[in-house]
Amino acid sequence: GEDVEQSLFLSVREGDSSVINCTYTDSSSTYLYWYKQEPGAGLQLLTYIFSNMDMKQDQRLTVLLNKKDKHLSLRIADTQTGDSAIYFCARKGYQKVTFGTGTKLQVIP
Amino acid sequence: GAGVSQSPSNKVTEKGKDVELRCDPISGHTALYWYRQRLGQGLEFLIYFQGNSAPDKSGLPSDRFSAERTGESVSTLTIQRTQQEDSAVYLCASSLGLGGDTQYFGPGTRLTVL
Repeated sequence: GEDVEQSLFLSVREGDSSVINCTYTDSSSTYLYWYKQEPGAGLQLLTYIFSNMDMKQDQRLTVLLNKKDKHLSLRIADTQTGDSAIYFCARKGYQKVTFGTGTKLQVIP
Repeated sequence: GAGVSQSPSNKVTEKGKDVELRCDPISGHTALYWYRQRLGQGLEFLIYFQGNSAPDKSGLPSDRFSAERTGESVSTLTIQRTQQEDSAVYLCASSLGLGGDTQYFGPGTRLTVL
């Protein structure tokens, strides 16, 4: 199957780290992505990771991939109110990208 | 253009009417995708184009939905005899190629069927 699952909601305090988790079922994934969707806006690519990597860091963002467990996570360090959004993970299979349902991140000042 | 654009940004229609949604991809992007996002839900893949061809139409919800692309550029998604369950945001994305290339999304068209 091509299911991609995420928890629906996460609430953190400003300045704390946020960790958004994602699991997928298809082991043939080649690329895995994190997108951010702010209210009323389209999706914006945050970062992506190749399936043969286990970690990628980009400024405040850290992506961890556990290929054995088919688990992807996005860590946002020093979370700011501007990080409040819905975060979608996605995986690329054969020519098609499957998205999760999205995790709504609420940052409490 | 600088990014993916979609029109209209909002569309309100009556049940049973036909609607046409337009997507202008980033110039030079050969792949184009349509997704649907219902309120509070994730993205539902509808269809993709490689050039002007759509190899996989299995994501289209029903035969009321159709899409075409011309000149390896603009794409239109047409919904005939709209139903209330068609109400959603329709997102278009484009990428340089199919591979693992990043998809760049447009702002979406919010469709409301009364």
